[in-house]
Amino acid sequence: DAKTTQPNSMESNEEEPVHLPCNHSTISGTDYIHWYRQLPSQGPEYVIHGLTSNVNNRMASLAIAEDRKSSTLILHRATLRDAAVYYCIQSGYALNFGKGTSLLVTP
Amino acid sequence: DTGVSQNPRHKITKRGQNVTFRCDPISEHNRLYWYRQTLGQGPEFLTYFQNEAQLEKSRLLSDRFSAERPKGSFSTLEIQRTEQGDSAMYLCASSLVVGGTDTQYFGPGTRLTVL
Repeated sequence: DAKTTQPNSMESNEEEPVHLPCNHSTISGTDYIHWYRQLPSQGPEYVIHGLTSNVNNRMASLAIAEDRKSSTLILHRATLRDAAVYYCIQSGYALNFGKGTSLLVTP
Repeated sequence: DTGVSQNPRHKITKRGQNVTFRCDPISEHNRLYWYRQTLGQGPEFLTYFQNEAQLEKSRLLSDRFSAERPKGSFSTLEIQRTEQGDSAMYLCASSLVVGGTDTQYFGPGTRLTVL
């Protein structure tokens, strides 16, 4: 299975930017990079995805390395509502979630 | 509400009983996925449908697990002869394939407890 590597946990202060790293060294040329997050007691929620170029949407930005072996999810101003487990996934039709990064946001 | 819905939200059953879960996807979505999530782990892919065709089922955990999507709309996941190890959250997601990828939208899940 396609596998990504993320830190187990990260901590951020509220209203500060957060950079969540992900390594995907085995990514193939056609694999997209997806980010989902999961709040406690909820199903996963789509955040952003990209293939080669950096991407922005209302939730976050995705910076993809030129060799595509790593990417960074950027939350521009963390809020308490952003505390969640963030999953970086290289896919495929089936999402291979891994354990993700648990983000703690402190006031 | 036009999101993915799942019923029931919680199910408690005794070992050996059969259970069936339902998923209603977002109406225009042609793909439907089932995942299982155990405590402290990320969701684990089980199977998926494109319209009514089940395109991947090799990841279903055993032959006790089966899924259907009879008319390409809602789907059911059945577990026969439940075991305590089946206790988990069962998640459904739907998507509309556009170009080379799709964005999956998840339901709230069905939490199964096997006593």
